[in-house]
Amino acid sequence: QKEVEQDPGPLSVPEGAIVSLNCTYSNSAFQYFMWYRQYSRKGPELLMYTYSSGNKEDGRFTAQVDKSSKYISLFIRDSQPSDSATYLCVFRGATNKLIFGTGTLLAVQP
Amino acid sequence: DTGVSQNPRHKITKRGQNVTFRCDPISEHNRLYWYRQTLGQGPEFLTYFQNEAQLEKSRLLSDRFSAERPKGSFSTLEIQRTEQGDSAMYLCASSLTSGGFGDEQFFGPGTRLTVL
Repeated sequence: QKEVEQDPGPLSVPEGAIVSLNCTYSNSAFQYFMWYRQYSRKGPELLMYTYSSGNKEDGRFTAQVDKSSKYISLFIRDSQPSDSATYLCVFRGATNKLIFGTGTLLAVQP
Repeated sequence: DTGVSQNPRHKITKRGQNVTFRCDPISEHNRLYWYRQTLGQGPEFLTYFQNEAQLEKSRLLSDRFSAERPKGSFSTLEIQRTEQGDSAMYLCASSLTSGGFGDEQFFGPGTRLTVL
C-alpha cells in the first residue's frame, strides 16, 4: 500500500462549479496535513494546512481532515479559470520532510 | 524578487556528464530542502540542511548525488555520471523554523534536467 494515494486527474469543470479533491494516507505518524497548488512550470505553493480533524475554511477553499479514516479533502467553491493548476496533498510527520501525493490536474473552463 | 531562486532553469546534458545546480533560499531562512519531481508525480524528498549541517538524506540520494550548503547560505546539488533516469525537475525549498507548524516551505521554480 502506498503511503499516500491521491485521486488521479485530470479533472475538468465549468467555471463556478464546486470542486472536490481527495487523498488517503496510511501513516498514522503524519501530524500536518496540507494542500499545495502548482502552476505549470512553477514550484508548489502552500494553499492551506491543518493539524487536526475537522474543517478549515479560507475564502473559497475548505480543507477537511478525518484522521480516523485517514482521509483528507480540499473543496473549492465558485471555481475560477485561475484555479486551473495541479493540486497536491502533502503530509508531514515529526521530521521536516514533506510527503506529496501524485497531484490532481484541474482545469476550470470559462 | 525575494523568493527562492534556482539556476539554471533548464539543463540538457549527455549521459555520463556531471551537472551542478544552485539554489538561493529566501534571505535568513535557516532550512533548505531539495526535492525531485518526475513527470506526473509529486515531488520526492532528497535531503535537507539546517544552516550548513545536512540533517537528513533520502535513500533516493545515491552516492552519485552530493549536496552542500557552505556557510548556511546558498546550496548546490551535484549529480555525477548522470543517467537517463536522473531526468526530472529538481526543486529547492527553504523555511524559517519558528516553532509549531512555522516551517512553511517556500519552493523555487525548479531546475529541469534532461539527460540524453
